[in-house]
Amino acid sequence: GNSVTQMEGPVTLSEEAFLTINCTYTATGYPSLFWYVQYPGEGLQLLLKATKADDKGSNKGFEATYRKETTSFHLEKGSVQVSDSAVYFCAQGSGTYKYIFGTGTRLKVLA
Amino acid sequence: NAGVTQTPKFRVLKTGQSMTLLCAQDMNHEYMYWYRQDPGMGLRLIHYSVGEGTTAKGEVPDGYNVSRLKKQNFLLGLESAAPSQTSVYFCASSFSGSSYNEQFFGPGTRLTVL
Repeated sequence: GNSVTQMEGPVTLSEEAFLTINCTYTATGYPSLFWYVQYPGEGLQLLLKATKADDKGSNKGFEATYRKETTSFHLEKGSVQVSDSAVYFCAQGSGTYKYIFGTGTRLKVLA
Repeated sequence: NAGVTQTPKFRVLKTGQSMTLLCAQDMNHEYMYWYRQDPGMGLRLIHYSVGEGTTAKGEVPDGYNVSRLKKQNFLLGLESAAPSQTSVYFCASSFSGSSYNEQFFGPGTRLTVL
């Protein structure tokens, strides 16, 4: 069946470091791909999305490219800030009403 | 515009007790969802609704019931709580059921069953 696999955390970085959080998926067909962010004590909120192959989603300095050939949607940011500390979820939308979430990757950014 | 709100934020129950979690959205969304979030398991869909008066089972529906009497509200009920239902519960809504659309999430309810 469809699935989403993302790298285990926690990921600890110094401020201004480069961030990569890996996400791969398995799917029949062509799902939409999402990155959600969850700040402490809050619900998930959409960070970025891509709906077809080679699309690049971007927001707040974060980017991810929908790679059909490698079934990946890795999240990147060139220079992280302390305020980026959160849990990041990769997800796919495949078929109506059906979203599959990864297990989440906790990011901690140190000043 | 409050988005998606959930009540209560925290709750502690004893085994066998019942409770209802309330989700409300003010975005006029047709679709609403209940998820549970457990460590190392991501979000799992409990039940969902595609419109007022309709509900359907998700991935992990056992032990839960839901109702959608009004378009803006989606209730999740636990008739006889069990320790395995200790979790964080998130409600979400979306404009349509298309997988192209993002979901909007509430802040969550942390439930502990002793």
